[in-house]
Amino acid sequence: DSGVTQTPKHLITATGQRVTLRCSPRSGDLSVYWYQQSLDQGLQFLIQYYNGEERAKGNILERFSAQQFPDLHSELNLSSLELGDSALYFCASSVGTEGNSPLHFGNGTRLTVT
Amino acid sequence: ILNVEQSPQSLHVQEGDSTNFTCSFPSSNFYALHWYRWETAKSPEALFVMTLNGDEKKKGRISATLNTKEGYSYLYIKGSQPEDSATYLCAFQVVDQFYFGTGTSLTVIP
Repeated sequence: DSGVTQTPKHLITATGQRVTLRCSPRSGDLSVYWYQQSLDQGLQFLIQYYNGEERAKGNILERFSAQQFPDLHSELNLSSLELGDSALYFCASSVGTEGNSPLHFGNGTRLTVT
Repeated sequence: ILNVEQSPQSLHVQEGDSTNFTCSFPSSNFYALHWYRWETAKSPEALFVMTLNGDEKKKGRISATLNTKEGYSYLYIKGSQPEDSATYLCAFQVVDQFYFGTGTSLTVIP
């Protein structure tokens, strides 16, 4: 158990809809990362938050947004969903900007857009 | 965006064989190199974090080496077992940013 909790595990929705994915980081970790894994693709970095502030952006679409709350949990909002957004979305956490600690991954949310 | 490459893309070995694969990364601005094991239907799990040139890490039958000057790391599995079947990811860390390779998919045939 990595200590990172993601909900829901599965999500099935229709095109054009909006969904929210939730992540609770491991206790003590200040950084939260969101990754997308599409079919036959590697982990694509979407966005990172550190202690409530956006720290880095990767290949995140404008239809997607995220935030990290004061209790350090994070939400990834996906709107105007398209079929191509179907993927496994991982959240990972780490202690922060110092040290060489590994990322701790949640079990992912599998999003299916129909 | 930093380029992290892993080879081979996939590998099939017989149970008991030893195997190794490569992670290539930029040789400048090195901070740390991570290896993760990602089993099907699970989440990636950290194996090693390597920081110093010449570093060698070992966990059971799995070991890794690091050459920061030439920008590569090797992961070795000795006497592969079916439970070693997984995708092995490396990630190049710069401060708190992680750049992942696409992984090497290992299948160990009983």
